[in-house]
Amino acid sequence: AQSVTQLDSHVSVSEGTPVLLRCNYSSSYSPSLFWYVQHPNKGLQLLLKYTSAATLVKGINGFEAEFKKSETSFHLTKPSAHMSDAAEYFCVFSGGSYIPTFGRGTSLIVHP
Amino acid sequence: DTEVTQTPKHLVMGMTNKKSLKCEQHMGHRAMYWYKQKAKKPPELMFVYSYEKLSINESVPSRFSPECPNSSLLNLHLHALQPEDSALYLCASSLERGGQYEQYFGPGTRLTVT
Repeated sequence: AQSVTQLDSHVSVSEGTPVLLRCNYSSSYSPSLFWYVQHPNKGLQLLLKYTSAATLVKGINGFEAEFKKSETSFHLTKPSAHMSDAAEYFCVFSGGSYIPTFGRGTSLIVHP
Repeated sequence: DTEVTQTPKHLVMGMTNKKSLKCEQHMGHRAMYWYKQKAKKPPELMFVYSYEKLSINESVPSRFSPECPNSSLLNLHLHALQPEDSALYLCASSLERGGQYEQYFGPGTRLTVT
């Protein structure tokens, strides 16, 4: 069985400070991993993805994530938070099936 | 064209109404999904169509009825809904590359059942 764990339900940062959203996975398959962002009352937008190429993945809006197989992690980072980054973030696992597994989500709160 | 479209954006319906949600993609994706999402929660899978055949039905009540008329269209027919069915309904399609699947989501339909 595969699973995805987002370690924090809420993360609160000040504008201009770094962002770290944590995601761990468990699976016996080679994973594809995705981070999606969802602003209120909107659909999910793909931020970035890991599909067994480079382990450091750069995405849109200055976000990046590093796949660490030894730690079974795929944490999302951004050097400097912006107010517009406040949203819900989902880590998603796909292990060769067309049915993905979603993490529970992390709410990012950005204070001025 | 790299997007999934959904109509309507908002829908308010009474418990005796019949309505339909529509989803469309022209990316050639052969898997299409319906999800239900409550606030601050991850999307819950409802149905999956693979090559226009229903492959997954996650024990969804019969008041929700999916339909896939062709490879680009996906409908969700609604009848006799309950207030607890109020939610954001998301459609997605997925691209298969090298045995891995990447999902593309539509903007969703915000459904309110009164």
